[in-house]
Amino acid sequence: QQQVKQSPQSLIVQKGGISIINCAYENTAFDYFPWYQQFPGKGPALLIAIRPDVSEKKEGRFTISFNKSAKQFSLHIMDSQPGDSATYFCAASIRGTGKLIFGQGTTLQVKP
Amino acid sequence: DTEVTQTPKHLVMGMTNKKSLKCEQHMGHRAMYWYKQKAKKPPELMFVYSYEKLSINESVPSRFSPECPNSSLLNLHLHALQPEDSALYLCASSQGTGVNQPQHFGDGTRLSIL
Repeated sequence: QQQVKQSPQSLIVQKGGISIINCAYENTAFDYFPWYQQFPGKGPALLIAIRPDVSEKKEGRFTISFNKSAKQFSLHIMDSQPGDSATYFCAASIRGTGKLIFGQGTTLQVKP
Repeated sequence: DTEVTQTPKHLVMGMTNKKSLKCEQHMGHRAMYWYKQKAKKPPELMFVYSYEKLSINESVPSRFSPECPNSSLLNLHLHALQPEDSALYLCASSQGTGVNQPQHFGDGTRLSIL
């Protein structure tokens, strides 16, 4: 199964709050899990990524948590800002192919 | 500004036209990709080039023809497209197709088929 399931579809958070987006997968051939941020009219921009042998990775206000046994991973955005309002995609890469499978996306709105 | 440059930014063409999309990167990456993205949907992989050779074709109709003239350049030739082919076409590149190779995207070409 080459799907990546992402939730929620949309999210509204107050400024300063924590935004949490979840993803789940089935295929054990996935070996790399990036998150992308996309603004309207722009291409996806790599935000942060994690390997399956790491349980957590933090870069600034962005943290990925990874649960290999549950085949789940999530993005936490701390101190969310209006400038974070965008569409976020989780993705998973199939080992050795470069093939990237995206989740369905989450539209985040951070209210001032 | 992205390091993957796509031209043109917008393209309107009729169903009988022939046009090409261009993608360029100067990061020394050896893998390049074409994706199609419909509104409010995730990008969907079309083609993967590794070391200038086509390694993945995701059963894309033959009216889309990719070309990789050199390691920095990727083209997508379009012919006899259908209205449902209207979408944002994204190019991406990475150092390779191995483990932990992040893909960097351009801002895409917005294609409209009349």
